[in-house]
Amino acid sequence: KQEVTQIPAALSVPEGENLVLNCSFTDSAIYNLQWFRQDPGKGLTSLLLIQSSQREQTSGRLNASLDKSSGRSTLYIAASQPGDSATYLCAVRASNSGYALNFGKGTSLLVTP
Amino acid sequence: DTGVSQDPRHKITKRGQNVTFRCDPISEHNRLYWYRQTLGQGPEFLTYFQNEAQLEKSRLLSDRFSAERPKGSFSTLEIQRTEQGDSAMYLCASSLVVGGEQFFGPGTRLTVL
Repeated sequence: KQEVTQIPAALSVPEGENLVLNCSFTDSAIYNLQWFRQDPGKGLTSLLLIQSSQREQTSGRLNASLDKSSGRSTLYIAASQPGDSATYLCAVRASNSGYALNFGKGTSLLVTP
Repeated sequence: DTGVSQDPRHKITKRGQNVTFRCDPISEHNRLYWYRQTLGQGPEFLTYFQNEAQLEKSRLLSDRFSAERPKGSFSTLEIQRTEQGDSAMYLCASSLVVGGEQFFGPGTRLTVL
């Protein structure tokens, strides 16, 4: 079974800092990887989707990279803002075992003014 | 452009009662997924529909759980004889293509007393 791990579990940074969130997965046979944001008590907002053939995706201040061979992805957030405070979840779809996304437990980010 | 909608947003029930949740996917999306999320955890996959066909079910979907998508549009998730361990956020997602970006609804928060 694909295991997804996110480090750190929690992170607090001052406004304006650049930061990196890490995601690792145990089985490199993936179809794609998706990063989400979740505000407390809310549903998930899709941030970026990286297909297995891609190395990175960018959207605004967000950049996600994928290294399948090492089983790692990073989410880079530039010039962080208090509105970025949320839980960030990484999810992987395996290429050989169904349609499910396998999620990590998330990184809880707090950006202080 | 309406996203994925779920109803109700909150449900409180007593142990042993039956509950039913509804999900309306993005209109042109024929792929629909149900997940369950408990506090501090990432979502866990429950089941997947392509049009009206239920193509994958997780082992988490015990015989007390049943999901339907009768006309390939909205879906319902029913839990019979609820238990306190069923308390969780139930999330619905949809995608346009298999393996495509999944878009999530706001979730239904179930509390079983």
